[in-house]
Amino acid sequence: EVQLVESGGGFVQPGRSMKLSCAASGFTFSYYDMAWVRQAPEKGLEWVATITSDGSSTNYRDSVKGRFTISRDSAQSTLYLHMDSLASEDSATYYCSIIPPVYNNPGWLAYWGQGTLVTVSS
Amino acid sequence: DIQMTQSPSFLSASVGDRVTLSCKASQNINKYLAWYQQKREEAPKLLIYNANSLQTGIPSRFSGSVSGTDFTLTISSLQPEDVATYFCLQHKSWPLTFGSGTKLEIK
Repeated sequence: EVQLVESGGGFVQPGRSMKLSCAASGFTFSYYDMAWVRQAPEKGLEWVATITSDGSSTNYRDSVKGRFTISRDSAQSTLYLHMDSLASEDSATYYCSIIPPVYNNPGWLAYWGQGTLVTVSS
Repeated sequence: DIQMTQSPSFLSASVGDRVTLSCKASQNINKYLAWYQQKREEAPKLLIYNANSLQTGIPSRFSGSVSGTDFTLTISSLQPEDVATYFCLQHKSWPLTFGSGTKLEIK
């Protein structure tokens, strides 16, 4: 059974950093592109970043470029999101997700974890 | 960025009704659209990918269709457990973008 378990969320002051983790199991982690998606309280969904299966390529939404870094450790089957210079607009539940192998497009988000809540507040 | 416009934002229907939810892309995205169901306090669940492919394990009362840049999610016979918010996602190009959601309730 596919399992994605996010951790690392909590309260953080504006301008500070935070690192999220997503522990994956039930599938061959190194075969799949992975993504982070966020959802502010009572709001819609917002794609944040994607990393390829071998970690060689990443994509970010403009509002997080230069502040967030997505990475992965295939030996630990873990996905990460390092977030710097956090602002109140970054407050959200952060989900990690699996992208199935596809061609000619970035791919859809097939399975999601339960999310971890990040609250940026002074 | 490709904008995804969902309608209606809220829908109330009776058990057994045929329900249609819409999502319109601001430009051509071919068939690269997915539909998700999000129940209260839960993570989104994939229902449909590539516009009309049913995800494994999803009941057959859910179906997707496309006409140009207009996409439709149909629930053929609404069940009480279908109460949720439904989102569309375009996966044609970066950045991936979601619709704002349709909240579906039982009348």
